[in-house]
Amino acid sequence: AQSVAQPEDQVNVAEGNPLTVKCTYSVSGNPYLFWYVQYPNRGLQFLLKYITGDNLVKGSYGFEAEFNKSQTSFHLKKPSALVSDSALYFCAVRDVYGQNFVFGPGTRLSVLP
Amino acid sequence: NAGVTQTPKFRILKIGQSMTLQCTQDMNHNYMYWYRQDPGMGLKLIYYSVGAGITDKGEVPNGYNVSRSTTEDFPLRLELAAPSQTSVYFCASSSRTGIDFGSGTRLTVV
Repeated sequence: AQSVAQPEDQVNVAEGNPLTVKCTYSVSGNPYLFWYVQYPNRGLQFLLKYITGDNLVKGSYGFEAEFNKSQTSFHLKKPSALVSDSALYFCAVRDVYGQNFVFGPGTRLSVLP
Repeated sequence: NAGVTQTPKFRILKIGQSMTLQCTQDMNHNYMYWYRQDPGMGLKLIYYSVGAGITDKGEVPNGYNVSRSTTEDFPLRLELAAPSQTSVYFCASSSRTGIDFGSGTRLTVV
């Protein structure tokens, strides 16, 4: 069965510093990997995805993520954090045979001015 | 495309009342889902459907029912509301390469 871990409940970073939100996964076969963001009192918005191809994926709002097959990781990164990036971030996985998307527990990112 | 549309956005129920949360999508997705999200927490899958006429239980199905008579619609039914069902409910639909969420229904049971 597929699973997703986000080892950090909370990540704090100063504005202008680089940020990383970690995600590791377990899935049979090749994974489809996703990042979603949830701003307060809002639904989940798509940020980026890895399906195949280049291991470095670029997404919305300057975010990117690197797929590392050997470490089964898909960490979300941004070179320079903004206060407006403060939100709840979810990693998700779907295997090529599966019927469901499995979401991680979420990581709350706080960017401090 | 409107995407995934949920109604209502807000609702207050009394204990023991019933209600149906409506969800419709216009992307011709076969897969649809209902999640609940408690304050400050992640998503828990309630029910999902892989196509019209087919539904299956997720992680937390107790107290809920669903139906899928058409590809577009996937309503969630609460029969006897309990305070433990106070939550935000999200409907979603997916293709193989992505999942789209509705804006959510904030339900309070008092």
